[in-house]
Amino acid sequence: DSGVTQTPKHLITATGQRVTLRCSPRSGDLSVYWYQQSLDQGLQFLIQYYNGEERAKGNILERFSAQQFPDLHSELNLSSLELGDSALYFCASSGPQVSGEQETQYFGPGTRLLVL
Amino acid sequence: AQTVTQSQPEMSVQEAETVTLSCTYDTSESNYYLFWYKQPPSRQMILVIRQEAYKQQNATENRFSVNFQKAAKSFSLKISDSQLGDTAMYFCAFTTLTISNFGNEKLTFGTGTRLTIIP
Repeated sequence: DSGVTQTPKHLITATGQRVTLRCSPRSGDLSVYWYQQSLDQGLQFLIQYYNGEERAKGNILERFSAQQFPDLHSELNLSSLELGDSALYFCASSGPQVSGEQETQYFGPGTRLLVL
Repeated sequence: AQTVTQSQPEMSVQEAETVTLSCTYDTSESNYYLFWYKQPPSRQMILVIRQEAYKQQNATENRFSVNFQKAAKSFSLKISDSQLGDTAMYFCAFTTLTISNFGNEKLTFGTGTRLTIIP
């Protein structure tokens, strides 16, 4: 158990709908990252938050948005869903940098989204 | 742009044997970190091992060790005495080091190697 939690584990919805994926980072971690794993694209970075603020954006569609709340949990909102959005969505967290070292990212169990 | 290449889509090995998974990367950065993550059938992403680019000594974690060749930009994973529980997808990942107070950099992943341990 990595200490990162994600809900729900599975989500089945229809095209055009909107869903919210939730992530709670490990205790003490300030950074949250969202990744998408689809069959043909592999693991792709979507977006990163650090202590409530957006830090970096990857290949995130405009239909997708995220935020990190004061208690450091994060939500990824996916709207106007398309068949191609079906994927496994991972949240990862890492601690604050200390001594100039890069912190390891620990992954949650993922949310499996199926768009029908 | 940084890229990570895993040239072996699939591998299989008999239980108790040793297997090596290959990974190469491309970057112009001098400070970076390399990781191997394991994804078993449960789809959970599990950290296997990490290597700091500034360290010459290869990282080891029990039966898992790496062969880090910085000049060749190569980072292979060796699994010794393989066990049935090692059956999984293995992803090589890379991140650069940014000295900041704003967290760390994203991971760039390879396409993975599906490893099957045969009883």
